[in-house]
Amino acid sequence: DAGVTQSPTHLIKTRGQHVTLRCSPISGHKSVSWYQQVLGQGPQFIFQYYEKEERGRGNFPDRFSARQFPNYSSELNVNALLLGDSALYLCASSSLAGARTDTQYFGPGTRLTVL
Amino acid sequence: AQRVTQPEKLLSVFKGAPVELKCNYSYSGSPELFWYVQYSRQRLQLLLRHISRESIKGFTADLNKGETSFHLKKPFAQEEDSAMYYCALTSGYSTLTFGKGTMLLVSP
Repeated sequence: DAGVTQSPTHLIKTRGQHVTLRCSPISGHKSVSWYQQVLGQGPQFIFQYYEKEERGRGNFPDRFSARQFPNYSSELNVNALLLGDSALYLCASSSLAGARTDTQYFGPGTRLTVL
Repeated sequence: AQRVTQPEKLLSVFKGAPVELKCNYSYSGSPELFWYVQYSRQRLQLLLRHISRESIKGFTADLNKGETSFHLKKPFAQEEDSAMYYCALTSGYSTLTFGKGTMLLVSP
């Protein structure tokens, strides 16, 4: 198993544009979470999905949205990009029903640069 | 609101020296605490969790609810321990709240 995969690896956008990031969880994992990691900071929780339903949302504006597909892959969408959205976006999957003791398995991330 | 504090951005030690990476948390409920590690050019991965009470790669961490701490310790550091270490706790389901991380550098 390749683990959690994310695409693209790197992305450069300009302010005001829209971006879609993609994540494929480990086979058999039904829960996907998204995190934003700004340089010099720890990852910050954005969304969690389980069985195609939103389980949790972090403190991010409505410009951020996500969804999970029947095959459990997920997309993170960001509208009206700002310079401050430049960050590494991490996807993580877990196998159980979002239990607190779940191990989160992280992907390599998508590096987004907004110019 | 939950918070994780890692007071040291960088910890530099010599090989064979003891290591302690500090982590303090604030959380109104009963926390689940974790240490995640990111080696150079690798993805973020779980190192250990307090509920398992295990030792991974010689590292241990004890949850001290009185001091709200979950410090990571290793008696003898190795060069391959050099990495970025993040302390984290879960709230709600399995969503993680991370600290800012501590870079551990182990010199020969």
